Amino acid sequence: DTAVSQTPKYLVTQMGNDKSIKCEQNLGHDTMYWYKQDSKKFLKIMFSYNNKELIINETVPNRFSPKSPDKAHLNLHINSLELGDSAVYFCASSQGFRQGAGGANVLTFGAGSRLTVL
Amino acid sequence: GQQVMQIPQYQHVQEGEDFTTYCNSSTTLSNIQWYKQRPGGHPVFLIQLVKSGEVKKQKRLTFQFGEAKKNSSLHITATQTTDVGTYFCAAGGGGGNKLTFGTGTQLKVEL
Repeated sequence: DTAVSQTPKYLVTQMGNDKSIKCEQNLGHDTMYWYKQDSKKFLKIMFSYNNKELIINETVPNRFSPKSPDKAHLNLHINSLELGDSAVYFCASSQGFRQGAGGANVLTFGAGSRLTVL
Repeated sequence: GQQVMQIPQYQHVQEGEDFTTYCNSSTTLSNIQWYKQRPGGHPVFLIQLVKSGEVKKQKRLTFQFGEAKKNSSLHITATQTTDVGTYFCAAGGGGGNKLTFGTGTQLKVEL
């Protein structure tokens, strides 16, 4: 009963291809995220959705398009893959997104999807 | 935008030695969280600090939030090989509603 599950775990593809990563959470959380972790382990937020509504959209190329069909799912589609897109992509969820006390913004991460672009 | 720096970036210790990682923000924070990522794994939540000067303990781990709410530290007493991993702070607030992750400290523990 994985709380946040993402597929696929590994993805190896050629430059220029289009690929998708899917994420599902069974925690009943309202907020979901995509994070990118590069080879130096830096974790950067890409997108966040709260109840299917986009609330955070960092400076990410528009080749990346998130989609949230419902609050339990957040998928990431990447067009025209480039070498620099190689990274581990983590999906995460939280009860809410507001900062402060209460812990509503504590993140539960998925196991990650390692994307390698050749 | 908000920047969160962690030092050191890497730390090698002998088993039994103590370890500390420091987290510094350019802005005042509403809260700070700490996560641990084992090699090949994903970040796992450890703790959240909210109050100025707050200190929390989890067994051998001690977490502190600075008085000005701009810095935090994680101290591990008598490290064990199971402590190996990357420790991230994640800062909340600073004018936005998102968590900004620190640069991380990779800890290696040798026997």
